Amino acid sequence: EDKVVQSPLSLVVHEGDTVTLNCSYEVTNFRSLLWYKQEKKAPTFLFMLTSSGIEKKSGRLSSILDKKELFSILNITATQTGDSAIYLCAAFNAGGTSYGKLTFGQGTILTVHP
Amino acid sequence: DGGITQSPKYLFRKEGQNVTLSCEQNLNHDAMYWYRQDPGQGLRLIYYSQIVNDFQKGDIAEGYSVSREKKESFPLTVTSAQKNPTAFYLCASSIRRGPDTQYFGPGTRLTVL
Repeated sequence: EDKVVQSPLSLVVHEGDTVTLNCSYEVTNFRSLLWYKQEKKAPTFLFMLTSSGIEKKSGRLSSILDKKELFSILNITATQTGDSAIYLCAAFNAGGTSYGKLTFGQGTILTVHP
Repeated sequence: DGGITQSPKYLFRKEGQNVTLSCEQNLNHDAMYWYRQDPGQGLRLIYYSQIVNDFQKGDIAEGYSVSREKKESFPLTVTSAQKNPTAFYLCASSIRRGPDTQYFGPGTRLTVL
């Protein structure tokens, strides 16, 4: 059974801190890893990672994948209160047919205090 | 404005009643998905559909049913057979089948009274 585990489950920091969120996975036929940010309702897409060692960046957020050790990290530098959200990690199992499926982790609840 | 819409935002149901959650997308995406989100458990896949008139069970399909008569629409029915239906339900779509970014609707919070 595919499994995705995120840590920590919750994190409280102050504005300006840097945080690292972790995601480990055990997925057969692994194809890609996705990060989402969920504030109140719909998760919004952040990154899709398919290759090891290539950092993806978007402003203060960056992420990298290690396919040998089966994990990914999401870094947020100079955190702001607007970064407070649940961060979801999901791994894509390509499956034996043309469709695979995403398995989600439990999420990390990040709270940024002013 | 392109996107995924879900309705209603909040839904209350008495035990023993079936309810249908709506999901519509105007992104021209082929694939659509239904997830259930419970606190501390992340998202779990209920059903997915790769093309019109075809759908497949996900990990927790028992007590749910779906249809896909139109490309834009993928309604989910929560039946009385679902033992613990109170949850947040999210619909998603992706351009095509396979390893592609999924985009989510705003969700429906279902509470069984």
